[in-house]
Amino acid sequence: GENVEQHPSTLSVQEGDSAVIKCTYSDSASNYFPWYKQELGKGPQLIIDIRSNVGEKKDQRIAVTLNKTAKHFSLHITETQPEDSAVYFCAAPYSGGGADGLTFGKGTHLIIQP
Amino acid sequence: DAGVIQSPRHEVTEMGQEVTLRCKPISGHDYLFWYRQTMMRGLELLIYFNNNVPIDDSGMPEDRFSAKMPNASFSTLKIQPSEPRDSAVYFCASSLLDGGNTIYFGEGSWLTVV
Repeated sequence: GENVEQHPSTLSVQEGDSAVIKCTYSDSASNYFPWYKQELGKGPQLIIDIRSNVGEKKDQRIAVTLNKTAKHFSLHITETQPEDSAVYFCAAPYSGGGADGLTFGKGTHLIIQP
Repeated sequence: DAGVIQSPRHEVTEMGQEVTLRCKPISGHDYLFWYRQTMMRGLELLIYFNNNVPIDDSGMPEDRFSAKMPNASFSTLKIQPSEPRDSAVYFCASSLLDGGNTIYFGEGSWLTVV
């Protein structure tokens, strides 16, 4: 099955600065890479995803980049705000390109300093 | 849509007792997943179903864990007998194959075994 590594485990940035979280994956057949945000006491929620036919995708202040050759993808958050404080998870398909679930990274605790 | 609904939200039980967690997936979704979240191991896929049929239970930690999906709108995860190391947050999630790989999580069941 897929193996996903995520760094850093904790990231503290000043409000208004940018934050970058990086992930690597092992299965070259993987073709879908979502990012989830988990707030305290809640379940993970999808915030953005990218498929293997594109290298970058943006949605307002968040963007995801994908490098299939190197098997890594990153989440970029610009102009960070207090409500961005949460745990962020990257993921890849559990078994390559299938729809049978996701394997998650260990998570990054993003702290936005006022 | 109501989203994935889990119950109970919180459960405290004594070691050796049976625990049953319940899940109602999003209507029309054909995949259902059970995940466990702990600080040490992150989000782990325990088992998933496709059209009510268990497909992969290789993540179930041991025989004390069992899961069923008697119909498209209900699933249970049972632990018998429970042990303190089973303390975790258990998430149910669902997805629709034709909707891509997007997985929608419930709010979780917070289990404490004392």
